[in-house]
Order: sequence, then C-alpha cells, then structure tokens
Amino acid sequence: GAGVSQTPSNKVTEKGKYVELRCDPISGHTALYWYRQSLGQGPEFLIYFQGTGAADDSGLPNDRFFAVRPEGSVSTLKIQRTERGDSAVYLCASSFLGSTEQYFGPGTRLTVT
Amino acid sequence: GQSLEQPSEVTAVEGAIVQINCTYQTSGFYGLSWYQQHDGGAPTFLSYNGLDGLEETGRFSSFLSRSDSYGYLLLQELQMKDSASYFCAVRNSGNTPLVFGKGTRLSVIA
Repeated sequence: GAGVSQTPSNKVTEKGKYVELRCDPISGHTALYWYRQSLGQGPEFLIYFQGTGAADDSGLPNDRFFAVRPEGSVSTLKIQRTERGDSAVYLCASSFLGSTEQYFGPGTRLTVT
Repeated sequence: GQSLEQPSEVTAVEGAIVQINCTYQTSGFYGLSWYQQHDGGAPTFLSYNGLDGLEETGRFSSFLSRSDSYGYLLLQELQMKDSASYFCAVRNSGNTPLVFGKGTRLSVIA
C-alpha cells in the first residue's frame, strides 16, 4: 500500500513569506507526527496529532508555526513570516494507535532565502 | 528533559560486525527504537526494545539494559548498502513523540 507522502518535496521561499507543507499519512493511522531535521542532526519533534486534535504541540518553536488536521487524515504545517533559521527538512510520520513503529514520509526540504 | 548519546561516526569493513551504542537520560521511559536513514531518504524503522534483552531481526539485533540506560544496535555481515545514519530514539509512552539522538553515520568500506 501507499506510504506517507509529503508535498512539496522542495520549497524555496523568501524571508518573511508564508508556507504550507502537506502530509498524507498511511490510511487508517490515527497518530500523526511532525518533526524537523537539520543537517547532521536527528529529527526534532514539533507536534503530534491523535485524530483531529493536537495531543502535544510542545515542540513548536514559536507562534509562527501552526498545524492542523481537520478531518483526522491529511495534515498541514503552516509557517508564517519565515526566517532563514527555519530552513530544514520537515518530516511527517504516522502510526497506528499504540504502535511502537512510526512510518516516515520523504520530507519537505524548506529553504528560506 | 531527555538526552541521548551515540557516536557520531563509525567505519567498518564489508562482511564484518559493528555495534552502535546509545546511552540515554530521560524523565520517563517506554522503549528504545532504532531507525536507519540513507542520505536524502526518510528514517525507516529497524528495531524496538521495550524490555531488557536482545531483539533479533535478520542481520540486525538490538539490545537494551534499562538499569544502565543503555542500548546498542548490532549489524552483522555488513553490506555496502548498510552505509547510512542510524538513530536511537526514546519515548515516554506508547503514542508520545520520539526523541532522537544525533545519529551515527556508518560507513562500510570494501
């Protein structure tokens, strides 16, 4: 079956612009996670959804970052007033409830110029 | 807070065995996972230890000692395609997010 998909695969934007990153999880997975990965580092947690609600958003760095999952499937990560420090690969993962394994998408490489 | 320590780089010869260690400090502990990531690719799940002891999956094995806050990933019969970054990760409970280490870059040489 299809894995986790993320669009776009690459996004280049200018400082101060708004961006949206999309994640399509594996069908039936109720848990959805957003991570951010900088070069040479491990993925860093941003926000976690259980169904439609954000169960834990403690990883969001500031109020410029926001994410939604209105129907409990597709999720969108939104970044306002982008800064050069936001440049990274944004990874999405999904899993079944209670599963120890997370399935990651290929990521969106965001570059803020 | 939570922190994980693992070596930044390891080099090993094709056909050999390599062990990647991971020590962790966490406020809560549910289990230790290992993920593999090739350059430009997505992290993929390798192994999970919820209890002390050894878990074996083909050429890969993973070990956990909760009393020592320590685990390792063992890769046997190394192949060139095993060259990748390997991350250990912990979580506080079944559905909480993973906290990843910085990763160990494994280079397999002929």
